[in-house]
Amino acid sequence: QQQVKQSPQSLIVQKGGISIINCAYENTAFDYFPWYQQFPGKGPALLIAIRPDVSEKKEGRFTISFNKSAKQFSLHIMDSQPGDSATYFCAASMGYGGSQGNLIFGKGTKLSVKP
Amino acid sequence: GAVVSQHPSRVICKSGTSVKIECRSLDFQATTMFWYRQFPKKSLMLMATSNEGSKATYEQGVEKDKFLINHASLTLSTLTVTSAHPEDSSFYICSARALPGLATGDTQYFGPGTRLTVL
Repeated sequence: QQQVKQSPQSLIVQKGGISIINCAYENTAFDYFPWYQQFPGKGPALLIAIRPDVSEKKEGRFTISFNKSAKQFSLHIMDSQPGDSATYFCAASMGYGGSQGNLIFGKGTKLSVKP
Repeated sequence: GAVVSQHPSRVICKSGTSVKIECRSLDFQATTMFWYRQFPKKSLMLMATSNEGSKATYEQGVEKDKFLINHASLTLSTLTVTSAHPEDSSFYICSARALPGLATGDTQYFGPGTRLTVL
């Protein structure tokens, strides 16, 4: 029930295309859903995050779509660029105090954007 | 804002020695800091959670006597890998979470990671 399932494991997209990464969760107590971008040899960087009270959040070319009833959320990267090539992790957490605030990570998606 | 630094970025040591890794939140106070370990092409594995001024909480299977964590202030946590062995070689990443009540209270900000190689 604590798992966050992420797919696909890897993704190849042409420059200018749309990259879509999906995540699903079971625990309805989760109330915070961030996406992180990680380049090789670097720490993860927060990309965008959403809470269950909204169905969509957009920041530049990055959009999170959230479906509370389906317990799914996805990351859309519009106009994908070679510089977006990285590993993307979805995550979820609940509350703030104690271990409830710990992030549960998906297994990651390696995105390659071809020129 | 919300920058987390780690030092060193890379360390090579001999088997049996101890290595200390520092994690600092540069522009915010972090009540809680987290230590992760990441294997190549894998997700992040939470090792322990530390709150300023109290003992760290270790995840199941993580040896607390081997991975010593100290969270001495609201901006500094350290991870010491004691008597390191080649199997401890990994990418160690810390993260920091801001004080509750702030707009970014749930968000974890990650450091750049430390590559540990034990010969």
